[in-house]
Amino acid sequence: DTGVSQDPRHKITKRGQNVTFRCDPISEHNRLYWYRQTLGQGPEFLTYFQNEAQLEKSRLLSDRFSAERPKGSFSTLEIQRTEQGDSAMYLCASSFTGGIGYEQYFGPGTRLTVT
Amino acid sequence: DAKTTQPPSMDCAEGRAANLPCNHSTISGNEYVYWYRQIHSQGPQYIIHGLKNNETNEMASLIITEDRKSSTLILPHATLRDTAVYYCIVRSDSNSGYALNFGKGTSLLVTP
Repeated sequence: DTGVSQDPRHKITKRGQNVTFRCDPISEHNRLYWYRQTLGQGPEFLTYFQNEAQLEKSRLLSDRFSAERPKGSFSTLEIQRTEQGDSAMYLCASSFTGGIGYEQYFGPGTRLTVT
Repeated sequence: DAKTTQPPSMDCAEGRAANLPCNHSTISGNEYVYWYRQIHSQGPQYIIHGLKNNETNEMASLIITEDRKSSTLILPHATLRDTAVYYCIVRSDSNSGYALNFGKGTSLLVTP
């Protein structure tokens, strides 16, 4: 069990550029979640996948955001035409439907800075 | 999901028990209480969860009042590495595929 990994760990981009983040969940986990966390706040839910199906999207996920999980394994989160308000930590988590309780395993996050 | 209320910050001396309270007065019968923590610059980490009975694992104990309107997370012998933000989350497992609603949590500072 190597845990949830995210790449890159840090990203600095200029306003208006597109960025893409990758998340590799724990291998046997079929559920994958994306959250966003701004300074001083708890993580906020963005979207969730079960296998390759995207089953829920938060209203925080504007049209500039898109997430995919093409083969039910890794996932990507793309932000188009970035804005300064997109600066945040983007967290990925995974879980297993057969698990006990509601334990989500989180990755270390990708910190995005939009200048 | 029921809303939770936690104090914004607490201090605890190293080696002493840290008792973190959470109020969830609107909790319904099928909702569980979960605790996560987030150490600075890391992703959140699951600690423990319970429905109505007290629970204990290698990390902590969870005490839920009989009316289930509040709970306390206990770290029996706090260490400096327990300094983190602790989140109390109430969630129904009938929607167990969905989001965790973290709120702002309690920032625990463990001092030498």
